[in-house]
Order: sequence, then structure tokens, then C-alpha cells
Amino acid sequence: NAGVTQTPKFRILKIGQSMTLQCTQDMNHNYMYWYRQDPGMGLKLIYYSVGAGITDKGEVPNGYNVSRSTTEDFPLRLELAAPSQTSVYFCASSYSTAATEAFFGQGTRLTVV
Amino acid sequence: DAKTTQPNSMESNEEEPVHLPCNHSTISGTDYIHWYRQLPSQGPEYVIHGLTSNVNNRMASLAIAEDRKSSTLILHRATLRDAAVYYCILRTRDSGGGADGLTFGKGTHLIIQP
Repeated sequence: NAGVTQTPKFRILKIGQSMTLQCTQDMNHNYMYWYRQDPGMGLKLIYYSVGAGITDKGEVPNGYNVSRSTTEDFPLRLELAAPSQTSVYFCASSYSTAATEAFFGQGTRLTVV
Repeated sequence: DAKTTQPNSMESNEEEPVHLPCNHSTISGTDYIHWYRQLPSQGPEYVIHGLTSNVNNRMASLAIAEDRKSSTLILHRATLRDAAVYYCILRTRDSGGGADGLTFGKGTHLIIQP
């Protein structure tokens, strides 16, 4: 059971480039989340999804887009990368909401230069 | 959104119990108290959660105050592998009634001395 898998683990982007961070889970979870973590800080929610075809903004959605075409996959798209998007990105999933645990991927370390 | 308050850091000795406090004075009746930890260069890892009663699992115990305005994560016998940032989080629904997101603060940096 792989849990939550994120690819790539590391990436360097030039300013203005675009990329997609991949996230897949094999636990049949309805809820999926994208977070970013800046150095020395806690995680901030970018986007979340309650099921296939349904997504919504979190605390810091600007500069990002998401889609959820299947239960398993929740890719995060960065358009026109900026240095402020240099961060570590974590994807997470959970079966339900408040009463169940969330599972996190190992993260993608992104540097925009 | 309900918020939590934790000490920035704590230090303990190996093989001794550790009590990590968390204040959440604005907690609502349906908020669950969750604890996660993050080891260096890793994603957060679930530790334990509870609603009103104390909870135990293989990793830790969670003691919840009677008024639910505070809680304590207890590591019964700390090891060097327990050195991490511990986050106390109230898992709650958003105002629109949709999915909640775990709202992370800065957490408590736990240092374990050998």
C-alpha cells in the first residue's frame, strides 16, 4: 500500500515557466489537499477537493490551479512561476473530514530562480 | 477558524515522558483535536486525535481537559526518533459546509537529549 505519492521530489524552475506537481493516492479517499510550507513555517492550504470533479480554494490559492478528474489523482499546476513560489509542497488525503486521520506525501521541493 | 497555541520549543531527555501542551480556548463542540508531527525533511505524520475523552494508541496518549479548552500530547518514553515538530490542530468544517483543511500553526519543536 503506497499511500500518497508525489512526483517529482525536487525541481528547479526558471521564472515564468510552468509545471505540474503530481499527487496520487491508492486508499480510495474522497478528500485531497495541497499545502505549501515555507522555511520555518507551518503548512498553508492551497486547494482542496472533496471528490472527483469538485475543488475549492484554500488559504493561498493565487498562482495555482488544480483539477480532480479521478478519485486517485489531484495534480497542482503552477503557471508563470515566481520566486515567491519557492517552497516545499505537500499533498494529503483523508477518507472523511474531522474524525479521521490525514495521510501526507513526502513532498516536492520546488525552487524558482 | 478555531486556533491553537503551543510553545515554540521543548526539550526532554531520552527515555523520559514528554508532555506537550496545547491551548484551544475557542474550540467548538464539534471540533476534533488532532496531533501531527513532522520529522526533518518529511511530510507530516498523524499521531492521534480525540473529541472529548482521553485517547491512547501505540504512539502516544492524548489527554483532553474537561472544558476542552486545552489538551496534552503525552509521549510515554521519548526516543531520539521522536525529535520533530509537533502540531496541535483543530479539525473543523469550513463555513461553506464543505471539506475541512487542517490548519497548521508553527507547532512545538521537540528536542530530545541523549
